[in-house]
Amino acid sequence: DGGITQSPKYLFRKEGQNVTLSCEQNLNHDAMYWYRQDPGQGLRLIYYSQIVNDFQKGDIAEGYSVSREKKESFPLTVTSAQKNPTAFYLCASSSESGGIQPQHFGDGTRLSIL
Amino acid sequence: AQSVTQLGSHVSVSEGALVLLRCNYSSSVPPYLFWYVQYPNQGLQLLLKYTSAATLVKGINGFEAEFKKSETSFHLTKPSAHMSDAAEYFCAVNFGNEKLTFGTGTRLTIIP
Repeated sequence: DGGITQSPKYLFRKEGQNVTLSCEQNLNHDAMYWYRQDPGQGLRLIYYSQIVNDFQKGDIAEGYSVSREKKESFPLTVTSAQKNPTAFYLCASSSESGGIQPQHFGDGTRLSIL
Repeated sequence: AQSVTQLGSHVSVSEGALVLLRCNYSSSVPPYLFWYVQYPNQGLQLLLKYTSAATLVKGINGFEAEFKKSETSFHLTKPSAHMSDAAEYFCAVNFGNEKLTFGTGTRLTIIP
């Protein structure tokens, strides 16, 4: 079955450490997204990519970095510059950015501070 | 500014009662509208979407939503709540660009 796979499901970060969250999709979608979810705040967009080798900052990009070297992969690195990384991170993809096409979501990665 | 508002961060209904979850948006141009559901520790699943073909949209699990342009609303309803409907629900809007804007969510509790 086609879908989005996020790994790991749970991740712990030490002070000063960078961690990378994996997102892989086999839906052949061009657009991919990373969101951060905090209780009571809905989903906030971190980065998005409309095509391979191109990506744009979302609303809360500071302290995060991404790459899009392959169509099916869009890893997110939470850097040590992100002072409050504890959150639930969701990856999504869609066949086109914007418009009527919905986004499909992975099951998320929960990141905590050690 | 374009925004999405979900009234009521928590809603409780009795099993078998009507479910009504509210979503309003601010935009001068009719946007594309979506409702998603999220179960604990999972991603979001699409319930339904409005794409201007019909103002009443039917989705999965017996949910439906009505687009009302005059009220800039897209409320989600289900005639009879089931215990399995307990989850968090998000309204999302595309305002004509490459991004979705999400409401802050409504947690639905079903009372047995």
